[in-house]
Amino acid sequence: QKEVEQDPGPLSVPEGAIVSLNCTYSNSAFQYFMWYRQYSRKGPELLMYTYSSGNKEDGRFTAQVDKSSKYISLFIRDSQPSDSATYLCAGVLTGFQKLVFGTGTRLLVSP
Amino acid sequence: DVKVTQSSRYLVKRTGEKVFLECVQDMDHENMFWYRQDPGLGLRLIYFSYDVKMKEKGDIPEGYSVSREKKERFSLILESASTNQTSMYLCASVPLAGGAGELFFGEGSRLTVL
Repeated sequence: QKEVEQDPGPLSVPEGAIVSLNCTYSNSAFQYFMWYRQYSRKGPELLMYTYSSGNKEDGRFTAQVDKSSKYISLFIRDSQPSDSATYLCAGVLTGFQKLVFGTGTRLLVSP
Repeated sequence: DVKVTQSSRYLVKRTGEKVFLECVQDMDHENMFWYRQDPGLGLRLIYFSYDVKMKEKGDIPEGYSVSREKKERFSLILESASTNQTSMYLCASVPLAGGAGELFFGEGSRLTVL
């Protein structure tokens, strides 16, 4: 079993929809979680991070962690075509800042 | 802005060739990482380094080696390239005392081994 699991998609939504991207994890040692966005032919860039429980909001993005069910989510409100990208979740093992990534979910937002 | 630069965006090599992938960061970060990214497998850690001349194996180090002679530069070496090393290679860096694992990635090096 992979330490971080993520549905590869693609997930197709119309512009303006609320998007929910999800990951599950198995390693209880993760101390926080990251969401990265990766556009085609580019390196991943950090969107946001949360500690091992609770929510965090940043503009149209909300990251949520449910520690009891080992479930992490990223919500995108009022989705835009420019949000079309692959979204990667990652669990973080502190020390050497080692990240364990999910496979990524490809999101397509149509105008 | 932090910049992580991978010198080669696209490479085509033959089986058995020695391949060098170079990565330079300009923010004086202590930790540097090499990942490979493959469809359906995501990003997998090959090697990382937390200081000059220091290196640690990641999850898939077989067939790879690394070199960190200067703080800003981290090189990935394929001693004898094989077709199963065709992949996207991503370099990343993070300061030792950085925030929650905020890796800064380069643009990637897409390697094809024929």
